[in-house]
This record gives sequence, C-alpha cells and structure tokens, in this order.
Amino acid sequence: DAGVIQSPRHEVTEMGQEVTLRCKPISGHDYLFWYRQTMMRGLELLIYFNNNVPIDDSGMPEDRFSAKMPNASFSTLKIQPSEPRDSAVYFCASGSSYNEQFFGPGTRLTVL
Amino acid sequence: AQSVSQHNHHVILSEAASLELGCNYSYGGTVNLFWYVQYPGQHLQLLLKYFSGDPLVKGIKGFEAEFIKSKFSFNLRKPSVQWSDTAEYFCAVKPNTGKLIFGQGTTLQVKP
Repeated sequence: DAGVIQSPRHEVTEMGQEVTLRCKPISGHDYLFWYRQTMMRGLELLIYFNNNVPIDDSGMPEDRFSAKMPNASFSTLKIQPSEPRDSAVYFCASGSSYNEQFFGPGTRLTVL
Repeated sequence: AQSVSQHNHHVILSEAASLELGCNYSYGGTVNLFWYVQYPGQHLQLLLKYFSGDPLVKGIKGFEAEFIKSKFSFNLRKPSVQWSDTAEYFCAVKPNTGKLIFGQGTTLQVKP
C-alpha cells in the first residue's frame, strides 16, 4: 500500500492567490482528516470526513478555508484567498476508524 | 477546555541514556491515548496507543508508555535511546466525546 498521498509536497504562493491541497487516502479507509501544523499552535485538526461526509469542521479557521471529498479516494483543502498567516504544514490522515489515523507526508505551504 | 500538556519541549540525551517524556491531559472521562513520532523530514507515525486494559503499553522500537488514570498522565519511556530516535514526539488524547487533541510536541535530540 502506498500510504496516504498528498500533493503538492511544497507550495509557495503569493498572498491573495488560491491554494488547493490534495489528498488520496489509503484505500478502504472510511475516515479522512485534515490537520495544520505550525510552530505556534502545534498540530490542529481542521476537519474530518466519514464516508465522504464532513462530520466536524469546527477547526476550520475561517471562511477562506474549505474542504471537499467528492469520492472515497480524493479530498481537497482549498484556501481562497491565501494569507501569510496560513503558512504551515498541512497533513492529511486517513483511517478505518477515528482512533486509527495514518498520516501523509504533508504539504509545506508558504504564502508570501 | 480539554488540553494536552507535554512538559518537555526539547530534550537532549546521549546514546544509551534512558528516556521519559511527560504527557498530561485535562479530561475526567474515558480517553484513548496515543504517542506519535515524527522523524526529521517525515510524516507522523503511530508509536503506541492505549484504549483499555493493561495500563502499561508496549509500542514499536522498544518504546512503552504507562497510563496512570489518577494522575491523568501517559508518559513515554525507553530504557536506552539510540541516535536514530532523534525526532519529535507527540502525545495525543481522544476523549470519548471529543476530537483528537495533540500536545505541542517534544523534540528529542540524541547525541551519538
């Protein structure tokens, strides 16, 4: 199994631009999670899906952030417009239950 | 608010030294407990987890953790560290009616 796949691995963009992060979960996993990791705030859960349905998006910072899961094998996290304070590493994780999460390699986002 | 506290932010040890990383949480009910490790440049990996039963949990690579309910603690231990254990270690807690919460992480540096 290839594990959780995220793309791109690194993204550098300018303030105001739209950013789309992508995630392919491990096949057969019903849960998908998006996390953000920063030095100041550590690792925070942004949103998670169960069977492609968003269950808890209370961690999404503001309306500029949105996440979708159109099917069981693909999810996106979009930031529009991006701001410098969005710079962080964004992790996607998947699992067959909430308590068993396998993390992807992360996308390091830098907003200039 | 529920929180997870890792007391040591940065630990430096020599090879063969014993390791104990502290983790305390603030939640009075049933919890599931986890330790994750993030090696330099890699994604988070699960070291060990506790759901119920024997409070002394053994994980991969010689790590173990002990759940002490009365102290709300789940400290990570290893009798003899190796240079390859250099990484960041995250404690995480999942209350039975809440989301997974990560501690701020402890950076372990093992000197050869």
